[in-house]
Amino acid sequence: EAQVTQNPRYLITVTGKKLTVTCSQNMNHEYMSWYRQDPGLGLRQIYYSMNVEVTDKGDVPEGYKVSRKEKRNFPLILESPSPNQTSLYFCASSRRAASSYEQYFGPGTRLTVT
Amino acid sequence: AQSVSQHNHHVILSEAASLELGCNYSYGGTVNLFWYVQYPGQHLQLLLKYFSGDPLVKGIKGFEAEFIKSKFSFNLRKPSVQWSDTAEYFCAVNGDSSASKIIFGSGTRLSIRP
Repeated sequence: EAQVTQNPRYLITVTGKKLTVTCSQNMNHEYMSWYRQDPGLGLRQIYYSMNVEVTDKGDVPEGYKVSRKEKRNFPLILESPSPNQTSLYFCASSRRAASSYEQYFGPGTRLTVT
Repeated sequence: AQSVSQHNHHVILSEAASLELGCNYSYGGTVNLFWYVQYPGQHLQLLLKYFSGDPLVKGIKGFEAEFIKSKFSFNLRKPSVQWSDTAEYFCAVNGDSSASKIIFGSGTRLSIRP
C-alpha cells in the first residue's frame, strides 16, 4: 500500500531534550516536506527536500533540522525543543515538486514540549 | 509574497444544505490551486486541484471549485452536504515562480448537523 509513515505518532518531552521524528514514504517520490499545524494558522512549511541531499528552508525553519540521505526517508530533528514547538507535525511527499503533483500526507505526530 | 486567506473559520450547516467555502490568494502570476480535506483524526487528503484549463474543477465526493482569476478566488462548493463531510478544509496555492513551496490557508472547520 502506498503511504507515508511517521513515528512516533504521539510524543511528550521536556525542554532541551533532543528528539527525532521519522518520516518514510514507499512511493519513490522525489519531493518531501515537513509542516506544522497550529490552530488558526493552518499548515506552515518547515523544510522541504527536492531530492536526496537537497533540502531547503520553508516558512518556519527555526529550531528544526532535516536530512535527506535516502530517497524514502526525511527525518525531522529538534536539537533543543522548546514549548513553542508544541504542535501537530505532518510529513508529506509528492512525485515531483509541489507545483505539479499532489502531496500525500502522513498521519501526523502530536508533539508536546513541557 | 504569496498568501492564502480563508475567511470562514467555522461553518455550521444542516444536512442537505448547500456549501460554499471561500478562498482568496495573493499572487500575480500563474498559480496552481488545491483544496485538501482533513477528516477528524485523519491526515490531509486532496479533494481537487486546478492547474489550467476549465476553471470549474470537479473533485471527489461531489465537491467542485471555481477558479476566478479576476477575483483571485478559488471557492469550494457542494450542492448538498452530508454529515460525513464534517472535517477541516484547507485551500492551498503554489505559484510557478516558487515551484517547491506550497502555501496553505488557515483552514475552515465544517460541522454538519445531522
